[in-house]
Amino acid sequence: KQEVTQIPAALSVPEGENLVLNCSFTDSAIYNLQWFRQDPGKGLTSLLLIQSSQREQTSGRLNASLDKSSGRSTLYIAASQPGDSATYLCAAKAAGNKLTFGGGTRVLVKP
Amino acid sequence: ETGVTQTPRHLVMGMTNKKSLKCEQHLGHNAMYWYKQSAKKPLELMFVYSLEERVENNSVPSRFSPECPNSSHLFLHLHTLQPEDSALYLCASSRLSGSPEIASTDTQYFGPGTRLTVL
Repeated sequence: KQEVTQIPAALSVPEGENLVLNCSFTDSAIYNLQWFRQDPGKGLTSLLLIQSSQREQTSGRLNASLDKSSGRSTLYIAASQPGDSATYLCAAKAAGNKLTFGGGTRVLVKP
Repeated sequence: ETGVTQTPRHLVMGMTNKKSLKCEQHLGHNAMYWYKQSAKKPLELMFVYSLEERVENNSVPSRFSPECPNSSHLFLHLHTLQPEDSALYLCASSRLSGSPEIASTDTQYFGPGTRLTVL
């Protein structure tokens, strides 16, 4: 059974610092690894999707890497801004459209 | 309206009430999902519908009863809930992963959720 873990559970940084969020998964038989953002009390917004054959994806200030052999993905957010404050969730996609989510990392960027 | 919508956004109910949550997607997708998000627990998949047929039921108690009348609408009927059922209930939709190509490139689109409180 796939298990996804995110460390740390919470992170607080001053504006301008780079953010590094970690995600680990136990079963490497995945179709893709996805990162989502969730604002308080809201739904999830997809940020980046890394296919199992890829090693990284980039979108603006966001960069996500994937190392299937070690069961790890990392989300980097460059030059953080207060608007980046949210919970970030990673999810591993397996057969049958199933997404297994980590517990999330709650990020606070202080102005 | 576009994307995935959910109503109501907030619901407070007693343990003896019967209520329904509604989800609607305007993305032309053929798969829909119900998730439960409790405080301090990872997002849990409850049900998966593919082409209006339930294909996944993750050991969810029978007090939760899903219904998918067509590919655009998904309901979650609630009855005799417990206080521990209080949570954010999220609906999502996606294309069907009929091929490895779609499976590896596709994502799910989430609604804003219904915040449920059971008294």
